[in-house]
Amino acid sequence: ETGVTQTPRHLVMGMTNKKSLKCEQHLGHNAMYWYKQSAKKPLELMFVYNFKEQTENNSVPSRFSPECPNSSHLFLHLHTLQPEDSALYLCASSQVGGANPRGYTFGSGTRLTVV
Amino acid sequence: GIQVEQSPPDLILQEGANSTLRCNFSDSVNNLQWFHQNPWGQLINLFYIPSGTKQNGRLSATTVATERYSLLYISSSQTTDSGVYFCAVDRTGFQKLVFGTGTRLLVSP
Repeated sequence: ETGVTQTPRHLVMGMTNKKSLKCEQHLGHNAMYWYKQSAKKPLELMFVYNFKEQTENNSVPSRFSPECPNSSHLFLHLHTLQPEDSALYLCASSQVGGANPRGYTFGSGTRLTVV
Repeated sequence: GIQVEQSPPDLILQEGANSTLRCNFSDSVNNLQWFHQNPWGQLINLFYIPSGTKQNGRLSATTVATERYSLLYISSSQTTDSGVYFCAVDRTGFQKLVFGTGTRLLVSP
């Protein structure tokens, strides 16, 4: 399997539920990212992990909790979400540094609906 | 933070037509990428182009870093080119991309 894989593709959850989004990259990259895409807004960077260390947290509410156990896997744990958190959540990976950078590769996204 | 503006916001083309999409950014950048988002939400990396010109089939891109803009050219457009085209830039060197608001393209048969 190649590229960046996200699961699930679709998720409907109640405001009191706890769920997790999963991302796996098979490209040997050393950085992974979570982005949020809401209707009529630019993509918003949520979290960045370089070499498994979190290097960015763009003022994201604590009801979103990332986890990066190794350089190939990234999770986004969700709890007590609000309806306005409904969006497309996109995972990406890239190779930071090196002689031949190619930029981001995105997964297919998880479309989240909070009811 | 850095500002990224794309124009036009919407574009409707007849199949076979050519088009130019523009991306302006407010500061110097280490990285610039063009993406295509298809109707199912998948973002495809078209070009990694912090400077210079690249071509890939019917698509080409040019970035003039000193003047802080990039252009994406689509020639002989096809209905499968429909979707949203995003420009994204990074000025940190650590690939923290900031996205523009996109150009929504509709190619009709």
